[in-house]
Amino acid sequence: EADIYQTPRYLVIGTGKKITLECSQTMGHDKMYWYQQDPGMELHLIHYSYGVNSTEKGDLSSESTVSRIRTEHFPLTLESARPSHTSQYLCASSWGGQETQYFGPGTRLLVL
Amino acid sequence: GDSVTQMEGPVTLSEEAFLTINCTYTATGYPSLFWYVQYPGEGLQLLLKATKADDKGSNKGFEATYRKETTSFHLEKGSVQVSDSAVYFCALSAGGSYIPTFGRGTSLIVHP
Repeated sequence: EADIYQTPRYLVIGTGKKITLECSQTMGHDKMYWYQQDPGMELHLIHYSYGVNSTEKGDLSSESTVSRIRTEHFPLTLESARPSHTSQYLCASSWGGQETQYFGPGTRLLVL
Repeated sequence: GDSVTQMEGPVTLSEEAFLTINCTYTATGYPSLFWYVQYPGEGLQLLLKATKADDKGSNKGFEATYRKETTSFHLEKGSVQVSDSAVYFCALSAGGSYIPTFGRGTSLIVHP
């Protein structure tokens, strides 16, 4: 059973607000990822990290930023939320040479 | 680049029907292949995987065989249940990359 947590699970905010989506894992995994999942279900990689102090942008251009100061924690920040950011955000992690990813339950964000 | 194509949904079946969800891929080298499942309101979880040609992955009554000659990894189950209603994602991981390529997902709806 994977132990990866995301908070909040649901968030409704107004345009222009700054928000941080939290992701933590207790498995000691070195790699972590953020995906945006659109209503059509397709997954888009927006950020990833291969270890502490390592972050990279993914395939989908995003106005969000991430940090990886601790192995277990990979928060995603939107400096100024817009309605176009309305989506589900999934955090995932993986370990070493293993290719399997473990996903959190997701944060469903609505920007009004 | 690498790509995964899976059949569009929704796939609608009656309980105890046979299920096939088609998945084909394009990749360099010899990728590992995965099926993930996403139940309503949850993140993705690994359903099964295969790491080399002719391998068969299986779990919870689901099976998929890695067919290199047809570049396919079709998901099958002999008798579906209502509880199998979910979105199924085919994915590959190739060339030592830790970032998988996902298909667009196929929604399965099983009626009693």
